[in-house]
Amino acid sequence: RKEVEQDPGPFNVPEGATVAFNCTYSNSASQSFFWYRQDCRKEPKLLMSVYSSGNEDGRFTAQLNRASQYISLLIRDSKLSDSATYLCVVNPRGFKTIFGAGTRLFVKA
Amino acid sequence: DAGVTQSPTHLIKTRGQQVTLRCSPKSGHDTVSWYQQALGQGPQFIFQYYEEEERQRGNFPDRFSGHQFPNYSSELNVNALLLGDSALYLCASSPSGSSPEAFFGQGTRLTVV
Repeated sequence: RKEVEQDPGPFNVPEGATVAFNCTYSNSASQSFFWYRQDCRKEPKLLMSVYSSGNEDGRFTAQLNRASQYISLLIRDSKLSDSATYLCVVNPRGFKTIFGAGTRLFVKA
Repeated sequence: DAGVTQSPTHLIKTRGQQVTLRCSPKSGHDTVSWYQQALGQGPQFIFQYYEEEERQRGNFPDRFSGHQFPNYSSELNVNALLLGDSALYLCASSPSGSSPEAFFGQGTRLTVV
């Protein structure tokens, strides 16, 4: 089993749609969780941290479920500019950061 | 404020050769991590440097080695290059003692022929 697993997609959605991605992780001792966004042939950029109580940043909402060991990202009112690969990132105890393989999102007009 | 900078941006090497990639961290960051990203995959952790020492290592062979300098910049060295080493190599920096959010450089795209 991979340490961090994501549905690779692609997710094809129209503008204005709501889309959700899930990510599961295997190490129950994991402490920190993030969502990164990566545009084609560019470096990953931090989208948002994921907190135990859940957190929201504009159209983006992140949730953490420690019991089931998954995190989620919800994007509301999708924009064309949201088209990218979304990487789930888990930081277990220690210094090694583990990335999922990413979920590709295409938002169409 | 300069972010994370990497050099070179692109590189073509022949099998068996050696390569050195360079990274300057974001101002105020003293921790540098290196990742390998193959096409269609997420970044894979190679190792992390802090206080000029390798702090943790991923599942990469000894052909991959690194160094961190007193000014926190870092180098990734890969010996005896294989075709499978072709990838985007990303450097990320973060401040020590705080949340491990990382800021990435634009990467070095290495092609081994």
